[in-house]
Amino acid sequence: KQEVTQIPAALSVPEGENLVLNCSFTDSAIYNLQWFRQDPGKGLTSLLLIQSSQREQTSGRLNASLDKSSGRSTLYIAASQPGDSATYLCAVPRDDKIIFGKGTRLHILP
Amino acid sequence: DTGVSQDPRHKITKRGQNVTFRCDPISEHNRLYWYRQTLGQGPEFLTYFQNEAQLEKSRLLSDRFSAERPKGSFSTLEIQRTEQGDSAMYLCASSFGGFPSTDTQYFGPGTRLTVL
Repeated sequence: KQEVTQIPAALSVPEGENLVLNCSFTDSAIYNLQWFRQDPGKGLTSLLLIQSSQREQTSGRLNASLDKSSGRSTLYIAASQPGDSATYLCAVPRDDKIIFGKGTRLHILP
Repeated sequence: DTGVSQDPRHKITKRGQNVTFRCDPISEHNRLYWYRQTLGQGPEFLTYFQNEAQLEKSRLLSDRFSAERPKGSFSTLEIQRTEQGDSAMYLCASSFGGFPSTDTQYFGPGTRLTVL
């Protein structure tokens, strides 16, 4: 059974700081791993998708890494901004469905 | 905007009433998924369709829930005799349904259900 865990559950940091969000998964036999962003009361926005053969993916100020063997992924956000405040979800596919973590609720302090 | 639309965006109902939600996937996508997300949790899989065939249902989908995709295009999710525990965000997603390693699900904005 695949389980996805995200640490921390919530994080508050001052604007401008770099930060790291963590994700771990129990079954390393994954095709890919995806990071989503969710604003309060809204749907999901895909940020980055890392294929199992890749070690990292970058998009602007975001960098996601994947270590399949240890069952871990990190999302690095550089030079954080108040607009980055949201919940960040980590997810892996499993048997035609996606298994999500509970998310990290991020608050960037102006 | 991913191209997946859901209607309504918000629904408030009284306990015991029936509600129906609609999802319109990206037009060329063969697969359509329903997820439910409660406060403070990640989305949880409910069911999915390959064209008009419902291929899998989660045990979360009680007998009061029914989903259809009659022509392999849009889908409806109906909840009968709603309970307060049904209050959640209901998310729809669609994908091509190709190889698992490259198949990507695109999510709609969700329907937020509040049962009073």
